[in-house]
Amino acid sequence: GNSVTQMEGPVTLSEEAFLTINCTYTATGYPSLFWYVQYPGEGLQLLLKATKADDKGSNKGFEATYRKETTSFHLEKGSVQVSDSAVYFCALSEGAQKLVFGQGTRLTINP
Amino acid sequence: DVKVTQSSRYLVKRTGEKVFLECVQDMDHENMFWYRQDPGLGLRLIYFSYDVKMKEKGDIPEGYSVSREKKERFSLILESASTNQTSMYLCASISGQGSYGYTFGSGTRLTVV
Repeated sequence: GNSVTQMEGPVTLSEEAFLTINCTYTATGYPSLFWYVQYPGEGLQLLLKATKADDKGSNKGFEATYRKETTSFHLEKGSVQVSDSAVYFCALSEGAQKLVFGQGTRLTINP
Repeated sequence: DVKVTQSSRYLVKRTGEKVFLECVQDMDHENMFWYRQDPGLGLRLIYFSYDVKMKEKGDIPEGYSVSREKKERFSLILESASTNQTSMYLCASISGQGSYGYTFGSGTRLTVV
């Protein structure tokens, strides 16, 4: 079955540092890939997505590229801010089917 | 904006009680999902529904049931609450065509004592 493996946290960085959160997946077909973010006390919000190989999703300075050859979808940001502190989830789905999530990575940014 | 509304943000129930968690979406989405979120385990799918009166088991359905009598409402039922069901519960919906992605509710944090 489909699965997502995500970099374990927690991750603590200083403001303006470079961020990478690794995500790899296993899928039988050609899934869409997502990054969701959960701020304290809130539900999940879609951060970015990519629907086919070599697509790059981007939003709020975050980027991730769908790499079929390495089955990866790593999240990156060049300069993080305190307001980026949250839990980040990598996920995949096929069509409008169920989402399969990684275990989540808690990110804390110190000023 | 698409909205998925969960009826309670925080809920405390006693062991053995029957518990109803309600989820309503306002975008005429066909597909609705219930997940539970636990630290270190991410989100795990409990049940989902692709149409009114249809339901399918997810990865961890034991101890839960669901009801979808109307397209906009998807209810999660804990038949006899137990302490190991203390968790954050998240509802999500998406159109049948997969347009615009999933929308999540704000979650219900359930504590069973």
